[in-house]
Amino acid sequence: NAGVMQNPRHLVRRRGQEARLRCSPMKGHSHVYWYRQLPEEGLKFMVYLQKENIIDESGMPKERFSAEFPKEGPSILRIQQVVRGDSAAYFCASSPPPQATNYGYTFGSGTRLTVV
Amino acid sequence: AQKITQTQPGMFVQEKEAVTLDCTYDTSDQSYGLFWYKQPSSGEMIFLIYQGSYDEQNATEGRYSLNFQKARKSANLVISASQLGDSAMYFCAMRSGTGANNLFFGTGTRLTVIP
Repeated sequence: NAGVMQNPRHLVRRRGQEARLRCSPMKGHSHVYWYRQLPEEGLKFMVYLQKENIIDESGMPKERFSAEFPKEGPSILRIQQVVRGDSAAYFCASSPPPQATNYGYTFGSGTRLTVV
Repeated sequence: AQKITQTQPGMFVQEKEAVTLDCTYDTSDQSYGLFWYKQPSSGEMIFLIYQGSYDEQNATEGRYSLNFQKARKSANLVISASQLGDSAMYFCAMRSGTGANNLFFGTGTRLTVIP
């Protein structure tokens, strides 16, 4: 399967713990996007990364959330000191370099974070 | 500011019938793209169809077609010959502006196909 791979599919954390969500983009895709979906809502943009670069983090909460996309390995979304309000589905998408507006995104299956 | 509006929280359709899911958008950009995604109960996001703002013809992909009315800023999804497997959440999304990085999503429509 050469699609976008996210793991884990489900993650349970106690309040105050750290959550690490991983995303491996599709082969040939160098751009990664993270979205959050709260229950019964649409997806909300969080951050856009290229290898070793954060391009747009306008949707990221100012505290506790960080993202990286290292030269080697998957993109990581890190949430420190999780709170119940962080419970959501986190989706990663990847795309080839955006040369025009009609480039496509491919989404992973998401990670469902539950904070207890 | 960009905005996507889906006014139908839920829709029902009889199997084998056609159904239209509404989507209106707002943007001041001339160049933009409109997407529809399907999210079944398993949770993954499945790309269905894309329409560019400069495309003169309505997009079609199998049983999916996009009724694009630029002057009305609407991009409704039409599903023909509904199947039970079409039951899912459907999200309309927009990417606005040349070189734009992210998609704006609507709140979704839950479609239920009745046998």
